[in-house]
Amino acid sequence: GENVEQHPSTLSVQEGDSAVIKCTYSDSASNYFPWYKQELGKRPQLIIDIRSNVGEKKDQRIAVTLNKTAKHFSLHITETQPEDSAVYFCAASHPTGGGNKLTFGTGTQLKVEL
Amino acid sequence: EADIYQTPRYLVIGTGKKITLECSQTMGHDKMYWYQQDPGMELHLIHYSYGVNSTEKGDLSSESTVSRIRTEHFPLTLESARPSHTSQYLCASRSGRNTEAFFGQGTRLTVV
Repeated sequence: GENVEQHPSTLSVQEGDSAVIKCTYSDSASNYFPWYKQELGKRPQLIIDIRSNVGEKKDQRIAVTLNKTAKHFSLHITETQPEDSAVYFCAASHPTGGGNKLTFGTGTQLKVEL
Repeated sequence: EADIYQTPRYLVIGTGKKITLECSQTMGHDKMYWYQQDPGMELHLIHYSYGVNSTEKGDLSSESTVSRIRTEHFPLTLESARPSHTSQYLCASRSGRNTEAFFGQGTRLTVV
């Protein structure tokens, strides 16, 4: 089955700095890679995603890169703000039998300090 | 409003009791998932379904069972609750294999 590893588990940055979170996956059949943000006490919400036919995607201060050969993808947040503080999860979607599993990484606790 | 709903939000129950956690979505999604999550920690897939009458076990061994009799409804049942089942349970749904998954608010379960 798919295995998604995520690093680092905790990340502390100064406001205005950039933050990078990295994930690797094991199943070459995985073809969709979303990133979720979960604030304290709330449900995970999608912030950006990338499909396997694309190498990079950007949405304002957030960007995701995908290297299919190396089986890794990364989240980049520029000009971090205190409201970016949350737990971030990467995930990989892969076909299995008649459906698709969505496997998550272990999460990264991002803290943006003033 | 199209959304995914979970009830109850909080539940405290005694050991040995049978419980059902409800999950319903009004988005017409075929694929639904149950995840177990301790606060701020990893999301563990325990069950998933890709349509009516199809269910599969996830990666985390679980003593729970699920059913999918209607597209919009994906309940999770614990036949005999134990303290080790104390956790948050999140339900999610999506329309296709390369699409966004939407999460419910979660059920925080405490077994005493």
